Amino acid sequence: NAGVTQTPKFQVLKTGQSMTLQCAQDMNHEYMSWYRQDPGMGLRLIHYSVGAGITDQGEVPNGYNVSRSTTEDFPLRLLSAAPSQTSVYFCASSSRKNIQYFGAGTRLSVL
Amino acid sequence: KQEVTQIPAALSVPEGENLVLNCSFTDSAIYNLQWFRQDPGKGLTSLLLIQSSQREQTSGRLNASLDKSSGRSTLYIAASQPGDSATYLCAVELNRDDKIIFGKGTRLHILP
Repeated sequence: NAGVTQTPKFQVLKTGQSMTLQCAQDMNHEYMSWYRQDPGMGLRLIHYSVGAGITDQGEVPNGYNVSRSTTEDFPLRLLSAAPSQTSVYFCASSSRKNIQYFGAGTRLSVL
Repeated sequence: KQEVTQIPAALSVPEGENLVLNCSFTDSAIYNLQWFRQDPGKGLTSLLLIQSSQREQTSGRLNASLDKSSGRSTLYIAASQPGDSATYLCAVELNRDDKIIFGKGTRLHILP
């Protein structure tokens, strides 16, 4: 049972480049979310989804796009990377109103 | 706006001691509260989930309580061990919009 899988584990980008962080879960969870974790800031919610075809903004959505075309996948897109987006990104999933399961994280550096 | 605060930010205690970590939240309209553990460089692992209708949950040496009316939760760790060293985070799930808001965590170090 893979749980929540995030790829890649590490990524270095140049300012202005675009990329997609992948997140997949195999637990048939309705709820999926993306967080970023920065020193001294804790985890901040970027975007979340309560089911396929439904997405909503979290606390810090600017500069990020998401889509939820299937229950399993919830990719996070950076359209034009900025140094302020250097962070560790975590994807999480849960059945509605239940325990959250986290991926191992993606460490992103934007130069 | 819901805010979640964890005090202290860091804590060091000798092995074997019982300890309490605190979490407070500003809006009592929550659906549930979770406590997580995060080891350095790793993802988060859920420890305990308390529904808003519950007062406490227990798992092994861990006990979490919830007082929704005062906006507080505590995580009690009994007979602490060096392996308990980690960052502990609490998170509340909101009733109104399904958002889950985290505190900044308490970094715990158990001294052998």
